[in-house]
Amino acid sequence: GQNIDQPTEMTATEGAIVQINCTYQTSGFNGLFWYQQHAGEAPTFLSYNVLDGLEEKGRFSSFLSRSKGYSYLLLKELQMKDSASYLCAVSMNTGFQKLVFGTGTRLLVSP
Amino acid sequence: DAGITQSPRHKVTETGTPVTLRCHQTENHRYMYWYRQDPGHGLRLIHYSYGVKDTDKGEVSDGYSVSRSKTEDFLLTLESATSSQTSVYFCAHGESTYEQYFGPGTRLTVT
Repeated sequence: GQNIDQPTEMTATEGAIVQINCTYQTSGFNGLFWYQQHAGEAPTFLSYNVLDGLEEKGRFSSFLSRSKGYSYLLLKELQMKDSASYLCAVSMNTGFQKLVFGTGTRLLVSP
Repeated sequence: DAGITQSPRHKVTETGTPVTLRCHQTENHRYMYWYRQDPGHGLRLIHYSYGVKDTDKGEVSDGYSVSRSKTEDFLLTLESATSSQTSVYFCAHGESTYEQYFGPGTRLTVT
């Protein structure tokens, strides 16, 4: 089976840095995705990690440790528009690449 | 808009009635997916398609069927809607299994 855990909710202040953690236990792990989803909207792709280490993309960075079953999404210089849910998803190779999503972390950025 | 639309965007129906949701993509991508999103569960895969007339079940496929007669269209049918199928339904598409672009979602309420 598979199990993906991330915090339900986090709060942070505009301009700050926040780290959203994701731990997973899956078989056939192929990689890990992060998506952003604003309320009432579709998820949009943020990052994909397949190898251990840090991937940086502007204000957002994502880290993966395959041996520890752990990832985090780092958001720097927080802006009000970063208030959204952040979905961790694991890609599994079970004959067909499928994404298994965590329940998401709702981030609230305050002034 | 990620080259994907869903119709209808909102629907209210009664228990026991059939319902069909439509997903249309303009990118000529091979892979298409149907997910449902419920509080506390995250996104869960219902069915997916890897080509015209090629479909398979996801983790929550009971009570749902799909059809893909053209590359651009992927239909999700609830043969006899139940209240447990009240949810937000997202369609996604991608050229490889490592990318998924989500549609705007359909909010379905079964009374």
